[in-house]
Amino acid sequence: GAVVSQHPSWVICKSGTSVKIECRSLDFQATTMFWYRQFPKQSLMLMATSNEGSKATYEQGVEKDKFLINHASLTLSTLTVTSAHPEDSSFYICSAPPGGAKNIQYFGAGTRLSVL
Amino acid sequence: LAKTTQPISMDSYEGQEVNITCSHNNIATNDYITWYQQFPSQGPRFIIQGYKTKVTNEVASLFIPADRKSSTLSLPRVSLSDTAVYYCLVGGLLSDYKLSFGAGTTVTVRA
Repeated sequence: GAVVSQHPSWVICKSGTSVKIECRSLDFQATTMFWYRQFPKQSLMLMATSNEGSKATYEQGVEKDKFLINHASLTLSTLTVTSAHPEDSSFYICSAPPGGAKNIQYFGAGTRLSVL
Repeated sequence: LAKTTQPISMDSYEGQEVNITCSHNNIATNDYITWYQQFPSQGPRFIIQGYKTKVTNEVASLFIPADRKSSTLSLPRVSLSDTAVYYCLVGGLLSDYKLSFGAGTTVTVRA
């Protein structure tokens, strides 16, 4: 099946710093990718839709200035958590649909962010 | 996006069959039913997808009645490694590929 690579898998940072997370589709092109966050023992919550060549669309309640998304190529989307604070500590996951009528998506392995 | 409802948790023993039923009363004509599996600290993994009737692959079977308002994921002869959260999602091309995750079903397999 299709592969989505996410990097890094784990990051610790100091409060106030910014952290970039990369999501790559390795064997298919993805004009659209999605970013989720997941708190312990909770479900995935969709944060935003990353659109290649255009601005990301954010879900209600997600601060676009805090969670910067860039989708510069058909295989790469990045999520930057700016001025991270402890409450931003979470598990961040990306996904990408290869396309077609069926909505099968492939997920990255996730990034565990811990903000001290 | 069609809302889904599934049991919060299920317990089972190794070697048993586990059936998880998901309700999706508002499923649209173009929607597919997709199940994902998630282990702790990992991204979800695609298990199976169907539109109607029955679909089977090497991992599971998916049963969908004619009215498509529900679906049942069947895991045959589970092992300890099948302990995970299972999500039922409904959507398709017309929903711009957005996925709306419900709470999922935590399946715990015991020896």
